[in-house]
Amino acid sequence: TQLLEQSPQFLSIQEGENLTVYCNSSSVFSSLQWYRQEPGEGPVLLVTVVTGGEVKKLKRLTFQFGDARKDSSLHITAAQPGDTGLYLCAPDVGNFNKFYFGSGTKLNVKP
Amino acid sequence: EAGVAQSPRYKIIEKRQSVAFWCNPISGHATLYWYQQILGQGPKLLIQFQNNGVVDDSQLPKDRFSAERLKGVDSTLKIQPAKLEDSAVYLCASSAGGQETQYFGPGTRLLVL
Repeated sequence: TQLLEQSPQFLSIQEGENLTVYCNSSSVFSSLQWYRQEPGEGPVLLVTVVTGGEVKKLKRLTFQFGDARKDSSLHITAAQPGDTGLYLCAPDVGNFNKFYFGSGTKLNVKP
Repeated sequence: EAGVAQSPRYKIIEKRQSVAFWCNPISGHATLYWYQQILGQGPKLLIQFQNNGVVDDSQLPKDRFSAERLKGVDSTLKIQPAKLEDSAVYLCASSAGGQETQYFGPGTRLLVL
């Protein structure tokens, strides 16, 4: 069952550009996490959003949880090569801190 | 503070052989997870332990995969016998429990020929 859709699958941009990636579902979630994964490493948690309509900022990254808690977006301002990686969204799908991961958006920021 | 340790980092085996992966979670973390990440996909949860008890193993292919967490600390994941489609990165993660953050290890990259 396809629980989540992340888009776009791939994104290649120049340093300094802005971008937005999306995480969509037809299900309602109690919370959702965003991770970044670099090649050869495990995912690293960036943020957890809990409240519908919530906006969180982490330096140049802005995360938003949809009002209905079914979708989320990640906006990066003035992307840098260090932002390159796989961005994964992972909503909470049950008890005991269990999260389901999407397939991710692979971002490449060229210098 | 040391992170989640995994070994080996890479493993190449032939189909029908057996393989085992080891994970040492962050000290004091009660919850331990094993994920399988196939190329081009996100991590898929295989099994979740709370201390040395299994919380969820609904997506673990139990005919060939097994995992244990003796004494509630280190964990091993075994595949016997391996199939071509088991080629993936196997990630271990741990958390302090509840809604605490999951910390991932670097993973073991398995190639089954």
